[in-house]
Amino acid sequence: AQSVTQLGSHVSVSEGALVLLRCNYSSSVPPYLFWYVQYPNQGLQLLLKYTTGATLVKGINGFEAEFKKSETSFHLTKPSAHMSDAAEYFCAVNAGNNRKLIWGLGTSLAVNP
Amino acid sequence: GAVVSQHPSRVICKSGTSVKIECRSLDFQATTMFWYRQFPKQSLMLMATSNEGSKATYEQGVEKDKFLINHASLTLSTLTVTSAHPEDSSFYICSGASGKNSPLHFGNGTRLTVT
Repeated sequence: AQSVTQLGSHVSVSEGALVLLRCNYSSSVPPYLFWYVQYPNQGLQLLLKYTTGATLVKGINGFEAEFKKSETSFHLTKPSAHMSDAAEYFCAVNAGNNRKLIWGLGTSLAVNP
Repeated sequence: GAVVSQHPSRVICKSGTSVKIECRSLDFQATTMFWYRQFPKQSLMLMATSNEGSKATYEQGVEKDKFLINHASLTLSTLTVTSAHPEDSSFYICSGASGKNSPLHFGNGTRLTVT
């Protein structure tokens, strides 16, 4: 079975500071891992995903994440936070080949001026 | 890029009435559509998976007679909340995919309030 744990339901950073959102997973099969962003009252937008190959994945809006199998982690980072990055971020793992996604509980990112 | 258009974005209905939510894939054929429910400050909960032309597969604990899903065409899937109650108030989101290895595309969600 697959599961996702996002450490920290709320993260607050200053504008220009490093953003680090943590995600750990468990999976009995090689995982596909995703990060999505959700703005208030909107659907979800894919930031980036890891399937196979290079473990450092670059996404949109300057975000990147590194798949670390030994640590079962897929943390999301951005070198310099912008005010527009304030949103809810969800980590998800694909549950096998049936396209179901198992979701973390989300991390709310606040960016302070 | 691929777009899923979800309507309405917000709906308020009275208890006991039914509400239909539509998701249309505008520039791709959604062979599979997933329907999620999201409570405030919580993650997405998968309600059901539908494949075009076949019956939806519901997750454990989701009442199939209450949440009717129709996926009659490759570009349209609907979720009907029947005999709505205040506890059905939630944010409903659909996502569609055109194939096994194709990415998921999410609608912008529907905020349902049952009074």
